[in-house]
Amino acid sequence: GAGVSQSPSNKVTEKGKDVELRCDPISGHTALYWYRQSLGQGLEFLIYFQGNSAPDKSGLPSDRFSAERTGGSVSTLTIQRTQQEDSAVYLCASSPQYSSYEQYFGPGTRLTVT
Amino acid sequence: DQQVKQNSPSLSVQEGRISILNCDYTNSMFDYFLWYKKYPAEGPTFLISISSIKDKNEDGRFTVFLNKSAKHLSLHIVPSQPGDSAVYFCAASAYGGSQGNLIFGKGTKLSVKP
Repeated sequence: GAGVSQSPSNKVTEKGKDVELRCDPISGHTALYWYRQSLGQGLEFLIYFQGNSAPDKSGLPSDRFSAERTGGSVSTLTIQRTQQEDSAVYLCASSPQYSSYEQYFGPGTRLTVT
Repeated sequence: DQQVKQNSPSLSVQEGRISILNCDYTNSMFDYFLWYKKYPAEGPTFLISISSIKDKNEDGRFTVFLNKSAKHLSLHIVPSQPGDSAVYFCAASAYGGSQGNLIFGKGTKLSVKP
């Protein structure tokens, strides 16, 4: 079956612009996660959704970052007024209901802020 | 403050020999541990996991060992194959997964030479 998909695969934007990153989870997976990986770093948790609600927003680096999920499926991560330190690979993962242990990752979106 | 540490950024092993990747953690509330494997330009893929109530879990060529008293786990790959060359991430979850996110180490890049 289809895995987690993310779009775009690459995004280059100018500092100060807003960007939207999209994630399509595996069909039937109710939990969805956003992580980011900066150069030379591990995966940093940003936010997760159980259905359409986000019980834990503690990982969002600043109020320029927001995420939403509608219909229990597609999620978008929005970064407003992008800064150069936002440059990273943004990874989305999904998992079946009630289990966060085994998460299935998408290929990521490489964001470069110039 | 890194809760999951992979102190070796890289490891090189000869094909057919054993690869041992190490991971240390600091949070005693972690109760589930996972290893993910990542190829370039792809998202991480789940490899193997272990619950804190066990000290060993084996799946084919992959075995994960957990030493709770030392807060240490390791992944053994034997025999190593060139296709195993990838970045390996150690990850941990607390509170039965209800925390909703995984805490990742920075990864170890494994190179298996023919």
